[in-house]
Amino acid sequence: EAQVTQNPRYLITVTGKKLTVTCSQNMNHEYMSWYRQDPGLGLRQIYYSMNVEVTDKGDVPEGYKVSRKEKRNFPLILESPSPNQTSLYFCASSYGQDRSYEQYFGPGTRLTVT
Amino acid sequence: SQQGEEDPQALSIQEGENATMNCSYKTSINNLQWYRQNSGRGLVHLILIRSNEREKHSGRLRVTLDTSKKSSSLLITASRAADTASYFCATVPQNRDDKIIFGKGTRLHILP
Repeated sequence: EAQVTQNPRYLITVTGKKLTVTCSQNMNHEYMSWYRQDPGLGLRQIYYSMNVEVTDKGDVPEGYKVSRKEKRNFPLILESPSPNQTSLYFCASSYGQDRSYEQYFGPGTRLTVT
Repeated sequence: SQQGEEDPQALSIQEGENATMNCSYKTSINNLQWYRQNSGRGLVHLILIRSNEREKHSGRLRVTLDTSKKSSSLLITASRAADTASYFCATVPQNRDDKIIFGKGTRLHILP
């Protein structure tokens, strides 16, 4: 089954404790992206990747890192989480590098930073 | 308003009625995409309409695009309880350096 998986689905952590949210897709998609969703603000793009070893900042990249060493994986790293990073995070992927196709979203990771 | 702004913010209609949601944007686009999100879950793609297209259909869904007005609409006909969800438009700019923008969404509630 074609899908985007994220782990963990729920995470409660403390300020400053490094964490990684994994994202994997089995559709051989070139484009992958991370979003955060906050009430009243909609979805905002954090980082995206057009292909392996190619990443770029979205609208809200501060406090986040990503890497794209393999085509299927696109982990999101929070080196020193802060309470303002409490949010619902989504990973997405799509075919091609020119954003001409629909995105497939993962189920989301609900992160709470205390 | 920001690119990819949906209107209305919330909509309640009776089951069986049609629901229309609108999306406005500011810059030239490559394509515009509509997604559905059930409470707290991942977004599901509904329809993608390219800048050279004016209308697309998928089942009970109809999307129109007016590039001169920089707006799109999503029509759901003969609504069902299962259509209760939030609906988002995402605009993909023509300029590859510009970011994909999601609107804040329209919350649709279908009343039994």
